[in-house]
Amino acid sequence: SQQGEEDPQALSIQEGENATMNCSYKTSINNLQWYRQNSGRGLVHLILIRSNEREKHSGRLRVTLDTSKKSSSLLITASRAADTASYFCATPNSGGSNYKLTFGKGTLLTVNP
Amino acid sequence: DTEVTQTPKHLVMGMTNKKSLKCEQHMGHRAMYWYKQKAKKPPELMFVYSYEKLSINESVPSRFSPECPNSSLLNLHLHALQPEDSALYLCASSLGQGAVSEKLFFGSGTQLSVL
Repeated sequence: SQQGEEDPQALSIQEGENATMNCSYKTSINNLQWYRQNSGRGLVHLILIRSNEREKHSGRLRVTLDTSKKSSSLLITASRAADTASYFCATPNSGGSNYKLTFGKGTLLTVNP
Repeated sequence: DTEVTQTPKHLVMGMTNKKSLKCEQHMGHRAMYWYKQKAKKPPELMFVYSYEKLSINESVPSRFSPECPNSSLLNLHLHALQPEDSALYLCASSLGQGAVSEKLFFGSGTQLSVL
């Protein structure tokens, strides 16, 4: 069953603006990951945030995790056309193998030059 | 070398054909994965190998047969596929420690069309 659900499903912004994507999940997790996928290509790992962390930064990316609300957000600051991609959150299978990651439906981000 | 290499990049096959997808990594990872992704959908896990042993099979039809000949290679053998099996097939690898959720390294995928 789907664990993570992103919103919005699609987001279109101008270059230089910030983009925020949200992910909600259903069961307790020990960490949450974000991945990027350029059209028709493989996924690239962006960031992993553990359940005892509230916020994590990597370059222009900022990820927050609120375990009480079972939600996470990904903020991309000063967006570039090259940030155009689909973004997925991924959570481990509750009570199961740590090898089993379930991906959310994804947010398609379009950054217009 | 932080790459996962998948071949071929594109594959068109008939429903009676037998073909194989190949995946290779040289990062010393001990867990390898096959995911299937339909257009505009998230990747769905098919199989996981841990230390060359099949550890997860997500109830995948037997027309898909995985094989892990060694720690660097992963194959997916295809036989008697259906048109609805057309999708992007992604291979991934991870360290394989298993204690916590693993960061996955993905290949670029094989775009499969079944006619």
